[in-house]
Amino acid sequence: AQSVSQHNHHVILSEAASLELGCNYSYGGTVNLFWYVQYPGQHLQLLLKYFSGDPLVKGIKGFEAEFIKSKFSFNLRKPSVQWSDTAEYFCAVIGGYQKVTFGTGTKLQVIP
Amino acid sequence: DGGITQSPKYLFRKEGQNVTLSCEQNLNHDAMYWYRQDPGQGLRLIYYSQIVNDFQKGDIAEGYSVSREKKESFPLTVTSAQKNPTAFYLCASSIGTIRTDTQYFGPGTRLTVL
Repeated sequence: AQSVSQHNHHVILSEAASLELGCNYSYGGTVNLFWYVQYPGQHLQLLLKYFSGDPLVKGIKGFEAEFIKSKFSFNLRKPSVQWSDTAEYFCAVIGGYQKVTFGTGTKLQVIP
Repeated sequence: DGGITQSPKYLFRKEGQNVTLSCEQNLNHDAMYWYRQDPGQGLRLIYYSQIVNDFQKGDIAEGYSVSREKKESFPLTVTSAQKNPTAFYLCASSIGTIRTDTQYFGPGTRLTVL
């Protein structure tokens, strides 16, 4: 069965620290991968997505993610976080039969 | 402003009653989706519709029903058959296919069944 794991449930960082949020999925076929973000009081919105091509994808607000097929991973990174990055981040995978699976989310708290 | 509206924001119902959650979009998107979010769990797909008058079950469709009579509207009915209906419900839409298109989410409705 298709599944997504986000191992970090709650991450606390100081401003300017580097960020890496893990996302691992289980599905043997071709996948499309997404990271969504929900800022406090706002709707879920797309951060970035990967379909094919360059496995390093760049999104909004300086975020990037790397698809490593051999590790079934799509980790989200940002070199230097800001207080405004405080939010909940969701990884999503679309695999077979157009099945979409979201991870449980990671709450990021950035301390000024 | 274009977007997705869900109403109401909070909804309370007695056990055994059916309740319908509203979702409207003015983005001219073909596809619409309903998700359920529980504490500590990710979003789980209940139903989705790629075109008017057509919809498919997601992972947890039991106890729910939907209709798609108009492109802009995709109401979700939580029936009395749903064993644990208290949850946060999110509606989303996308231009076309679920596989590739960005989903745009509404603000959600928090349903509490007493």
